[in-house]
Amino acid sequence: GAVVSQHPSWVICKSGTSVKIECRSLDFQATTMFWYRQFPKQSLMLMATSNEGSKATYEQGVEKDKFLINHASLTLSTLTVTSAHPEDSSFYICSASDRSSGRMNEQFFGPGTRLTVL
Amino acid sequence: SQQGEEDPQALSIQEGENATMNCSYKTSINNLQWYRQNSGRGLVHLILIRSNEREKHSGRLRVTLDTSKKSSSLLITASRAADTASYFCATDEAAGNKLTFGGGTRVLVKP
Repeated sequence: GAVVSQHPSWVICKSGTSVKIECRSLDFQATTMFWYRQFPKQSLMLMATSNEGSKATYEQGVEKDKFLINHASLTLSTLTVTSAHPEDSSFYICSASDRSSGRMNEQFFGPGTRLTVL
Repeated sequence: SQQGEEDPQALSIQEGENATMNCSYKTSINNLQWYRQNSGRGLVHLILIRSNEREKHSGRLRVTLDTSKKSSSLLITASRAADTASYFCATDEAAGNKLTFGGGTRVLVKP
């Protein structure tokens, strides 16, 4: 149980285009989802936290208009990188937790999406 | 921002040896978790230790937590080539319920 998927697993796009990444909880209801970014050989940096049905909370320094997050259902959150530029190339990882259950402290991670902006 | 530091940043050992890595953090926590990440892949949850626990075991893994020093250690015993990966600690802060990751330790286990 507690499987999280991401789609696509990798994407290459041209500078200036927008890219949408999906994060799905497959066998549980994700009341909260988190989006992280990881540059090569670095750690994960939390970008934003989203609760189903409400606006995402962005970490300091993360542009909310550039990284649009939608968490419209209990099993799906999307991250849209708008007007992507080469410096947005990174590994994007989502995680999900079910705060209504007894496992509220656990986050379950997706396999990540490698974004390359040319 | 990152909660803490991990050391060493990189570790190279022979198969069969033990690997120890440390994590320090700055704020009060609910729990501390360790994850493994193979190159270019997602994170695999290894073990969670709560703030009121001092030591926890899972298979070949042993985790300690010293809240007075705000530090934790992960010991992998009898390492295998398949243990080659990056290992991250992450703290679940007392106020916020979000994970903050350490810088990670890259472990290379040579056969």
